[in-house]
Amino acid sequence: AQSVTQLDSQVPVFEEAPVELRCNYSSSVSVYLFWYVQYPNQGLQLLLKYLSGSTLVKGINGFEAEFNKSQTSFHLRKPSVHISDTAEYFCAVSLSGGYQKVTFGTGTKLQVIP
Amino acid sequence: DADVTQTPRNRITKTGKRIMLECSQTKGHDRMYWYRQDPGLGLRLIYYSFDVKDINKGEISDGYSVSRQAQAKFSLSLESAIPNQTALYFCATSPRGQETQYFGPGTRLLVL
Repeated sequence: AQSVTQLDSQVPVFEEAPVELRCNYSSSVSVYLFWYVQYPNQGLQLLLKYLSGSTLVKGINGFEAEFNKSQTSFHLRKPSVHISDTAEYFCAVSLSGGYQKVTFGTGTKLQVIP
Repeated sequence: DADVTQTPRNRITKTGKRIMLECSQTKGHDRMYWYRQDPGLGLRLIYYSFDVKDINKGEISDGYSVSRQAQAKFSLSLESAIPNQTALYFCATSPRGQETQYFGPGTRLLVL
């Protein structure tokens, strides 16, 4: 079974500074990887996903993530954050091929400080 | 209008009561899911359904039941609510053959 770890429960960062949200996964087979964002009082929405191909994945709102198979990581980055990026971010993993259950991480709350 | 809607958005109930949370979607997706979110635990899958006649248990189905009344509707029931079922509940959908899930706005449930 797959698992995903988000070590940072909260990340404060000043506006216009860069940010990296860390995600590590565990699986012995090929996986799909996702980042979802949850704004206050809303449901989750997809930021970006890695299925195959290029290891650098670009998503919405200027975010990107890099799949690193050797380090089993899928860290999320943004070069310059805005106040509107304040939200909770969830990393998720599923096994590739057919329907596979998606396992979500525990979430990282990004707090952008003016 | 929202593609995935959940009713009610907030609910307070007492221990032992039966309650139903409803989810409707206009996306035409075959697959529907129910998750609960607890602080520090992320999202955990309760039940999922691939179509009206295909319903499967997730990792935390005890104490819950579901009904897929139509392709567009998927309801979650708590037969006898208990306080540790206090949580934020999300419905999600996905199209056949795609991995992305689309979430509703959530139902905040408090069991006293």
